[in-house]
Amino acid sequence: DGGITQSPKYLFRKEGQNVTLSCEQNLNHDAMYWYRQDPGQGLRLIYYSQIVNDFQKGDIAEGYSVSREKKESFPLTVTSAQKNPTAFYLCASSINRKVADTQYFGPGTRLTVL
Amino acid sequence: EDKVVQSPLSLVVHEGDTVTLNCSYEVTNFRSLLWYKQEKKAPTFLFMLTSSGIEKKSGRLSSILDKKELFSILNITATQTGDSAVYLCAVIHGSSNTGKLIFGQGTTLQVKP
Repeated sequence: DGGITQSPKYLFRKEGQNVTLSCEQNLNHDAMYWYRQDPGQGLRLIYYSQIVNDFQKGDIAEGYSVSREKKESFPLTVTSAQKNPTAFYLCASSINRKVADTQYFGPGTRLTVL
Repeated sequence: EDKVVQSPLSLVVHEGDTVTLNCSYEVTNFRSLLWYKQEKKAPTFLFMLTSSGIEKKSGRLSSILDKKELFSILNITATQTGDSAVYLCAVIHGSSNTGKLIFGQGTTLQVKP
């Protein structure tokens, strides 16, 4: 089946630890995105990548890092520098970086910092 | 500052009612507006609107965009309990080809039997 997968579904982390969230897509989409969702605030863009080996900061990139070594993979690392990491993280992808394409979302990872 | 505002933030109706959800926006270089439905996890795509005045329709759901007044509405007729969800509005904007989205806060719809 084609789609976007994220793992793990739930993640618990102690303060001071880095943690990496996985996002994989087999849709052959060029562009991939990471969002954070907090109650009452909608989705906010963390990082996005329009092509392999290139990525750009979104609106709330501080405390996060990404890599795009393969077209189908866009992992997000939540570092200890992120002050309030507990949130629901959504990965998305779109077909083409050159047009305003619809973004399709993965099932999300809920991160809780203990 | 670019922003997308949805109203109401929450809504409770009974099955069979018709609801209208609102989304207003102020962004530079508007390109398209999207509606998503989010039940428990991933938002699922409903509509993409690019042109003013052209209604998009899918079953009991419909949506229209007004680029002059900078808003969109999402209508759901004959609501069912399965329509209960958070409805997200997002705007694609920007001068570069980024496809960046700005999301509204979402409208939480609860449909009671």
